[in-house]
Amino acid sequence: AQSVTQLGSHVSVSEGALVLLRCNYSSSVPPYLFWYVQYPNQGLQLLLKYTSAATLVKGINGFEAEFKKSETSFHLTKPSAHMSDAAEYFCAVTEYYNNNDMRFGAGTRLTVKP
Amino acid sequence: NAGVTQTPKFQVLKTGQSMTLQCAQDMNHNSMYWYRQDPGMGLRLIYYSASEGTTDKGEVPNGYNVSRLNKREFSLRLESAAPSQTSVYFCASSYRAGGDTGELFFGEGSRLTVL
Repeated sequence: AQSVTQLGSHVSVSEGALVLLRCNYSSSVPPYLFWYVQYPNQGLQLLLKYTSAATLVKGINGFEAEFKKSETSFHLTKPSAHMSDAAEYFCAVTEYYNNNDMRFGAGTRLTVKP
Repeated sequence: NAGVTQTPKFQVLKTGQSMTLQCAQDMNHNSMYWYRQDPGMGLRLIYYSASEGTTDKGEVPNGYNVSRLNKREFSLRLESAAPSQTSVYFCASSYRAGGDTGELFFGEGSRLTVL
């Protein structure tokens, strides 16, 4: 079955610094990949998704991610962190033939220091 | 615009008690899901319903039952709660038709503690 691995359960950056959250996937067929964000005591909301149309995907709040098949990666980046970016971020994968079964990574908690 | 609504938001049970988590969506979505979230493990799929009248097991279905009552509502039942079922439960829905890639819309979660 498909799966994702998020490297680093906690990432801390200074305000204005680059944000890089890592995600590697495993899939036997071309995957569909997602990044979700969870703010405290809330449900998850979609940041961006890769659906094979373009390898560089732009999302909300200035985030983007690049699909790299050779590295089986889908890392999330933002050039300049803001205090409001502090949250937990989840990478997720689904395979088109069974896309009701979305698998999530363990999550990365992002802390932004003033 | 309510989206996905879950009740209750908090519940404390004793081992062996039963309870039902309710979920309703007002987005006319076809598919609905129940996930559990545990520290360090992300979200794991318990059950899903691809359409009204159908349900299927996910990654961790043991100890749970579900009912797709109608297109709007999808409930999760714990028949005999165990401490291992202490978790935060999320209901989600998606509009799945043709080549849709199934972006999920989540409720705010239900925090369950089993003593």
